[in-house]
Amino acid sequence: AQTVTQSQPEMSVQEAETVTLSCTYDTSESNYYLFWYKQPPSRQMILVIRQEAYKQQNATENRFSVNFQKAAKSFSLKISDSQLGDTAMYFCAFTLQTGNQFYFGTGTSLTVIP
Amino acid sequence: EPEVTQTPSHQVTQMGQEVILRCVPISNHLYFYWYRQILGQKVEFLVSFYNNEISEKSEIFDDQFSVERPDGSNFTLKIRSTKLEDSAMYFCASSEAPGQETQYFGPGTRLLVL
Repeated sequence: AQTVTQSQPEMSVQEAETVTLSCTYDTSESNYYLFWYKQPPSRQMILVIRQEAYKQQNATENRFSVNFQKAAKSFSLKISDSQLGDTAMYFCAFTLQTGNQFYFGTGTSLTVIP
Repeated sequence: EPEVTQTPSHQVTQMGQEVILRCVPISNHLYFYWYRQILGQKVEFLVSFYNNEISEKSEIFDDQFSVERPDGSNFTLKIRSTKLEDSAMYFCASSEAPGQETQYFGPGTRLLVL
């Protein structure tokens, strides 16, 4: 079975500071893709960052970066220089190369404090 | 930037009634999905759809559910006889290709069954 665990239901961070959201997952497959999605209040989920499991190099996208530890099945998201617009629910997800569905965690609600 | 849209944003219905949730995927996407999120729980995959047929479905997607692409732009989810436990946020998503490709999500329809 494929599962995703986000152990931090809520987090807060001061504006301009750095925050790390944790995510662990479980699968017996070796080929898969990992995602972080952001859902601002009353808005749709948008892609933050994507990581191919076969790549050792951690993905980065401007202020967003991941720490991908394949052996530990960990995929944390680091947000640097947090901005008020980063306030949102963040979902960790993965999909198997051979499948269609995404497997999601329960989400982490992040609040950036001015 | 193209977005997935969903209507209605909120729907209240009586138990046993039929509901149809509507989605307009991104125009050049070929793969379509429905997910749901019961309050406080994970986002769960329901079904994927390609070339006018279901390509994958979860255990949740029983005979009460059906999907259709009635025309070139809409993608619908029908629940034939709603139950209290169908109350959830329903998300539509689309992608250019299956598997590892990023899925683009709509804002969701909040369904409340009374």
